[in-house]
Amino acid sequence: DTGVSQNPRHKITKRGQNVTFRCDPISEHNRLYWYRQTLGQGPEFLTYFQNEAQLEKSRLLSDRFSAERPKGSFSTLEIQRTEQGDSAMYLCATDQTGKTDTQYFGPGTRLTVL
Amino acid sequence: DAKTTQPPSMDCAEGRAANLPCNHSTISGNEYVYWYRQIHSQGPQYIIHGLKNNETNEMASLIITEDRKSSTLILPHATLRDTAVYYCIVRVGTNNAGNMLTFGGGTRLMVKP
Repeated sequence: DTGVSQNPRHKITKRGQNVTFRCDPISEHNRLYWYRQTLGQGPEFLTYFQNEAQLEKSRLLSDRFSAERPKGSFSTLEIQRTEQGDSAMYLCATDQTGKTDTQYFGPGTRLTVL
Repeated sequence: DAKTTQPPSMDCAEGRAANLPCNHSTISGNEYVYWYRQIHSQGPQYIIHGLKNNETNEMASLIITEDRKSSTLILPHATLRDTAVYYCIVRVGTNNAGNMLTFGGGTRLMVKP
């Protein structure tokens, strides 16, 4: 257990539905990252927050995706009008500005879109 | 961040040392070598990192060549629980603009009894 938690761990939804995932970071970490991992591939960066500010978004983050971190603590990732291609593991990671060692990853949320 | 090249898969006998290579010939002077692993259905787990000196911790050792163009992760006594995908990542050590990780395909290590 790294101290980063994600909920739910698994989500099955029908195409066209909206889904929301939550990430709770290690409390002293001010940066939070979202990654997506499809089967057989390494994780791909989606977006990151420093405190409550969303500072960078990947081109992978289509306009159906939105992420928030309203109080600089937990974060949510919402996918609207899900498509089968959104099926993936969604990973959250956190770290602290100025530290060189590591990002700590949560266990991920596995999304299956039917 | 510099790109890395790793073999797609390796086998290792249980109890033997596992040596996982990584090439990063375009690494810059301020870039560190990081290793993560991902056990099936879990999030990536940090293992070790280094700049130019060899490093050792309770999980593994990291050997970086003098020209820093390649490195080797060593698991001294591999166990079945070390079966995972191992990712070698090269990036700037600290960046106030964010430390996004760029994962390649990694090496799938299979530890066999």
